[in-house]
Amino acid sequence: QVQLQESGPGLVKPSETLSLTCTVSGDSINNYYWSWIRQSPEKGLEWIGYIHYTGNTNYNPSLKSRVTISLDTSKNQFSLKLISVTAADAAVYYCARATTAYDYWGQGTLVTVYS
Amino acid sequence: DIVMTQSPDSLAVSLGERVTINCKSSQNVLYSSNNQHYVAWFQQKPRQPPKLLIYWASIRASAVPDRFSGSGSGTDFTLTISSLQAEDVAVYYCQQYYSTPPTFGQGTRVEIK
Repeated sequence: QVQLQESGPGLVKPSETLSLTCTVSGDSINNYYWSWIRQSPEKGLEWIGYIHYTGNTNYNPSLKSRVTISLDTSKNQFSLKLISVTAADAAVYYCARATTAYDYWGQGTLVTVYS
Repeated sequence: DIVMTQSPDSLAVSLGERVTINCKSSQNVLYSSNNQHYVAWFQQKPRQPPKLLIYWASIRASAVPDRFSGSGSGTDFTLTISSLQAEDVAVYYCQQYYSTPPTFGQGTRVEIK
């Protein structure tokens, strides 16, 4: 059974960097695409980007200048870094697997931006 | 970006009745090489992540009850629940994953009348 679990700080200060990790079990990260998606009351569900197991990445143009997604195949994990956060980045962050669609999602982690 | 517009925003239906949710894309989402519409439907219950119900507009995901069905073509798509059950109370989202960035509809809340 494929499972994804987000981890990382739930509180981030404005202008600092948001860092989250997704640990994958039940599947090898050396397959498919691995994505980050966030959800807020203001913007709804918003796709952040993905990384392919080959290392190729694709980001939402609205976030591209601030986002990095990376893989750690030795730990079967992938990570998100979002720099220069503002209040608008407060959301529940989900990691998800993409095959023919976004078929497995983590439970999500709430990130609050506070000063 | 492709805009996905759902209707209605919410609806209340009696148990056992049919539910129809519509989704309109602002652009084509048909991938000509495999003749598939890159539209998915998700169900989200409170404090849970979205759950994939339908992909390629009409293919049920694994273990999804057959009362859920998807249809449509061009830019108009529909999710149908043939007989509403109590456990179907949720918010439903359509998504296009034809082009970057993948985008979601605003959601349709389904409640019991």
